[in-house]
Amino acid sequence: EAGVAQSPRYKIIEKRQSVAFWCNPISGHATLYWYQQILGQGPKLLIQFQNNGVVDDSQLPKDRFSAERLKGVDSTLKIQPAKLEDSAVYLCASSSWTSGVGEQYFGPGTRLTVT
Amino acid sequence: DQQVKQNSPSLSVQEGRISILNCDYTNSMFDYFLWYKKYPAEGPTFLISISSIKDKNEDGRFTVFLNKSAKHLSLHIVPSQPGDSAVYFCAVTYHNAGNMLTFGGGTRLMVKP
Repeated sequence: EAGVAQSPRYKIIEKRQSVAFWCNPISGHATLYWYQQILGQGPKLLIQFQNNGVVDDSQLPKDRFSAERLKGVDSTLKIQPAKLEDSAVYLCASSSWTSGVGEQYFGPGTRLTVT
Repeated sequence: DQQVKQNSPSLSVQEGRISILNCDYTNSMFDYFLWYKKYPAEGPTFLISISSIKDKNEDGRFTVFLNKSAKHLSLHIVPSQPGDSAVYFCAVTYHNAGNMLTFGGGTRLMVKP
C-alpha cells in the first residue's frame, strides 16, 4: 500500500510570493489533514477534510492560506502572500474509518523556507 | 496556551537502559492519548495509544502509562535501542473531536550504543 505522497519536498521563496503544496492521501482514506510544524514545535492542525468537505479550519489563517480537496482525493494548500513566519514543514496526513482513534498516516512533508 | 506539554526537549540514554518520556495535558475532556515517533526528513508515525479507561497499555518494548488525576502520561521504552533515536510526540484527542489531534512539542531521544 502506497503511503501519503507530498510534493514538492523542499521550496524556497521570497516573502510576499505565493506557493502551493500538493498531497495525495492513501487510497480510500476519506479524511485528510494539513499540519504546520515550525522548527522545535509539534505539528499544528491547519485544516481537516472529510471527503471534499471541510470539518475544521479554525486554525487556518484564512487571510493568506487556502486549501481545497475538490474530488475528495488529493488536496492542495496555498499560501499567498507568504510571510517569514510561514517557514515550516507542512505535513499532510490521512485516515480512514477503519483507522484507530487518533491514528493518522503522515506524508514526508514539504519544507518551506521564506526569505 | 499550550494544552499539551512535553517539558524535556531532549533525553539521552544508554543502549539497553530504560527511556522514559513524559507528557502533561491541561484539559480533562481529552480521553484518548497517543505517541508518535518521527525520524528526520520523514513524517510522524503512530507508535502506541491508550484510552482514558485504562492506565497502562503495552506493545512489545513500548508501554504507555496514563495518570488521569495528574493529567500526565509517559512512554517507557525497555530496552532502548539505537534505532529508537528519534523525536517523540505525544498527542491527545477526545471522542467527539472527529479524530483531530493536538500535539505536544516533542522530545528528542538519543540512544547511545
